[in-house]
Amino acid sequence: SAVISQKPSRDICQRGTSLTIQCQVDSQVTMMFWYRQQPGQSLTLIATANQGSEATYESGFVIDKFPISRPNLTFSTLTVSNMSPEDSSIYLCSVGSQGVADTQYFGPGTRLTVL
Amino acid sequence: QKEVEQNSGPLSVPEGAIASLNCTYSDRGSQSFFWYRQYSGKSPELIMFIYSNGDKEDGRFTAQLNKASQYVSLLIRDSQPSDSATYLCAVKTSGTYKYIFGTGTRLKVLA
Repeated sequence: SAVISQKPSRDICQRGTSLTIQCQVDSQVTMMFWYRQQPGQSLTLIATANQGSEATYESGFVIDKFPISRPNLTFSTLTVSNMSPEDSSIYLCSVGSQGVADTQYFGPGTRLTVL
Repeated sequence: QKEVEQNSGPLSVPEGAIASLNCTYSDRGSQSFFWYRQYSGKSPELIMFIYSNGDKEDGRFTAQLNKASQYVSLLIRDSQPSDSATYLCAVKTSGTYKYIFGTGTRLKVLA
């Protein structure tokens, strides 16, 4: 499976500011995804990051709040904009391995705390 | 609304016992099913996937799928304290690459 890194691993931010999270993969991948995992809860898909086009957002998530870039097949960023304490969460990128089952592998995550 | 349901637990089993984790899903068109293990403070790690009815074994882990009953399970044989974690069931929705995750079952293996 691909080696996935995320930066930063954690951050503490002030309300109203923005944070950009980077996801780097050691090989070219077609599918990249961004998830949120709020404290004590499961994973919720934010969006699919599409290379060369706009991301596809899930219900409840909008581009103005979570802009995503995917400049190439190994890199993506997620920005959490105008943060509030409700955005405190773990943000995870994952990459899809196309095949019989289309498996996904997760990066180490970014733990965000908004004060 | 497509759903994936798991008992949140905790499920406590003694060391060496078999742990049985269960998951039900609502979308009959679901194609692939995944089990992830997540240690506290870590990201999910893929354990197994299954897409055909029946059993699939990998070491101490066995995944079982029954599409008619919309039910998938994970058995862990000879449970070890290091298996203590939250186990997430994920279902790939039909016609997309997207997963829907269950809320996870917390497993505690008692030494």
